Amino acid sequence: NAGVMQNPRHLVRRRGQEARLRCSPMKGHSHVYWYRQLPEEGLKFMVYLQKENIIDESGMPKERFSAEFPKEGPSILRIQQVVRGDSAAYFCASSPAEGIRYEQYFGPGTRLTVT
Amino acid sequence: KQEVTQIPAALSVPEGENLVLNCSFTDSAIYNLQWFRQDPGKGLTSLLLIQSSQREQTSGRLNASLDKSSGRSTLYIAASQPGDSATYLCAPDYGNNRLAFGKGNQVVVIP
Repeated sequence: NAGVMQNPRHLVRRRGQEARLRCSPMKGHSHVYWYRQLPEEGLKFMVYLQKENIIDESGMPKERFSAEFPKEGPSILRIQQVVRGDSAAYFCASSPAEGIRYEQYFGPGTRLTVT
Repeated sequence: KQEVTQIPAALSVPEGENLVLNCSFTDSAIYNLQWFRQDPGKGLTSLLLIQSSQREQTSGRLNASLDKSSGRSTLYIAASQPGDSATYLCAPDYGNNRLAFGKGNQVVVIP
């Protein structure tokens, strides 16, 4: 059973470009979460999605950031018009369902560098 | 504001010594708490999940305790090995599966 897959592992973008980060959850998992780890900071929750639904986006910046988890295919975190402050490691996690019993399993992360 | 503090931030111990890593969180209304390890440049590996109704959870050399009322959790690693060198992260779940993270305990086990 493959773990959570993220690609690309490393992404370099110039200021003003768009970044697309992809996440494939573990087989059988229908819940996806995105977290961001800024340099020298702890991980911060960004958004929680189920198939075709955004459940909680309270941690997402109000502008330039969006996330989706379509019926088919991976979850996508999209950052438009990137700025240097977006440079960070972006982690995706998945769980089989919502509830107190379920662990979140993390992917290896995508390290975004904005030049 | 829900804050997670992990003390000590960094520690080095000789191989074979037991490790005690502390985590405190400001809001005791948690649903559960997970401990993870993170190796440099890598993702997070889940170690233990403690439900809010539990006092402790064990897996091999790892034991995690939870005192929800005082907002504390402790991770014990028995008979440390060089392979235990990593950053350990504590993450309470405040509901809706939002994990809150501290900055971690960076551990080095010296052979």
